[in-house]
Amino acid sequence: DIQLTQSPSSLSASVGDRVTITCRARQSISSHLNWYQQKPGKVPKVLIYKSSNLESGVPSRFSGSGSGTDFTLTINSLQPEDFATYYCQQSYTTPRTFGGGTKVEVK
Amino acid sequence: EVQLLESGGGLVKPGGSLRLSCAASGLSFRSFAMTWVRQAPGKGLEWVSVISGSADSTYYADSVKGRFTASRDNSKNTLYLQMNGLSVEDTAVYYCAKGLSVAAWAPGDYLANWGQGTLVTVSS
Repeated sequence: DIQLTQSPSSLSASVGDRVTITCRARQSISSHLNWYQQKPGKVPKVLIYKSSNLESGVPSRFSGSGSGTDFTLTINSLQPEDFATYYCQQSYTTPRTFGGGTKVEVK
Repeated sequence: EVQLLESGGGLVKPGGSLRLSCAASGLSFRSFAMTWVRQAPGKGLEWVSVISGSADSTYYADSVKGRFTASRDNSKNTLYLQMNGLSVEDTAVYYCAKGLSVAAWAPGDYLANWGQGTLVTVSS
C-alpha cells in the first residue's frame, strides 16, 4: 500500500493568509494525487485532481502542485469558508489511500 | 444532477453482519466505477473498496479484505457493501462515491460525487 503523510496535521491561520499543506508519498505516484476539503458534518468535496487541476466551481485561490512523491496544496488569501480539514488521496494504484488530514483552524 | 443515497446503517453486535446500499440517480450508473469510503468518529477518511462499472473487478483495503464484499446491480442503479465479521473498529460513517472512470483501477481518477453517508455502529 502507498502511505501518504500530510503535514502539518493542523494549523492556525487568519483570513487573508496564504496556507500551504504538504502531502508526501512513500513511493512515486507520478501526478496522481487529489485533494479534498471536508467541513464539519459535511461530505468531502474534491478541490484538485491530478496534482494541479482545479475542479469545476472551485475558487482559483486553491492551487496544487507536485509530482513523484511530494505535493502541495496552497490556499491564497484564506477565506472564512476555507476553515476545514483537507485530505490528499493517491489514485496511482489500489488501494487508493488517503492522507491523515490537515485541519485548518482560525488563529 | 448526480445523487447518491446510502442506506442500511445501524447498530450491530461484534461479529455480526450488515449490508449497505447506495442508490444512484442522474447518471449512467454502469458507466462508472463506484467506491466505498468510511470515516470513524472524529477520524480521517479511509478508502474501503472500489468496484468497476461492469462489476468484473473489485479491490479492497487490507483492513476489510475477506470480510467485506462490494457488489452492484446495474439494472437497479444500486451499489452494495456486504459487511461480515464486524468489529468495533468498523464503526464509521460509510460513504459511497463516484469517480469518472468505468474501470476500478484507472490511474488519475478521483471521487467527484459523494453520498451523505450512513452510520454503522458496532457495539455490544
